[in-house]
Amino acid sequence: DADVTQTPRNRITKTGKRIMLECSQTKGHDRMYWYRQDPGLGLRLIYYSFDVKDINKGEISDGYSVSRQAQAKFSLSLESAIPNQTALYFCATSRTGMGNEQFFGPGTRLTVL
Amino acid sequence: GQQVMQIPQYQHVQEGEDFTTYCNSSTTLSNIQWYKQRPGGHPVFLIQLVKSGEVKKQKRLTFQFGEAKKNSSLHITATQTTDVGTYFCAEAINNDMRFGAGTRLTVKP
Repeated sequence: DADVTQTPRNRITKTGKRIMLECSQTKGHDRMYWYRQDPGLGLRLIYYSFDVKDINKGEISDGYSVSRQAQAKFSLSLESAIPNQTALYFCATSRTGMGNEQFFGPGTRLTVL
Repeated sequence: GQQVMQIPQYQHVQEGEDFTTYCNSSTTLSNIQWYKQRPGGHPVFLIQLVKSGEVKKQKRLTFQFGEAKKNSSLHITATQTTDVGTYFCAEAINNDMRFGAGTRLTVKP
């Protein structure tokens, strides 16, 4: 969905490096999410935010941090990347309220060597 | 861990055959959402079910929510090559979202 964008789309980095993935949305949604996708494991929630400066841990937050300084932007950081963080990362947004559909960005393929 | 289990993990069908994927939970589900992810793409929302026994249809796709709200299914009638992709179920729990592992569908022309 062009309303949710992610940068970069692909990234190769080395173990121990700090890396930031960016997500921007023009949908005007309050809620934003970061997921990682691994083969056979589906999508697992890393962090989510319901408003500016609101941060909540998801299922697999260890090794990650996030920042929500503006409604339209939600960034994901890996402070010290490790090889098992190699995955496809998706950002998503939704309207306020439980159970609303999520709109996903195109994904960022991250490889940690 | 994941709250919902999806089966099968993979399904390969001949074009024109039917396809069904199942989503099961040991606890009562508050709701179920279904998403489709095309190869190389991102998940796209298909539908949400919230009521016990609910059945919804979208052209050749039929979605069902079990009477006990512990399972759900997605059935595709007469598959086409455009149906190729991975189908995920997901439950919204306490403002969190838990996805099943997905069923990857391939269709042979």
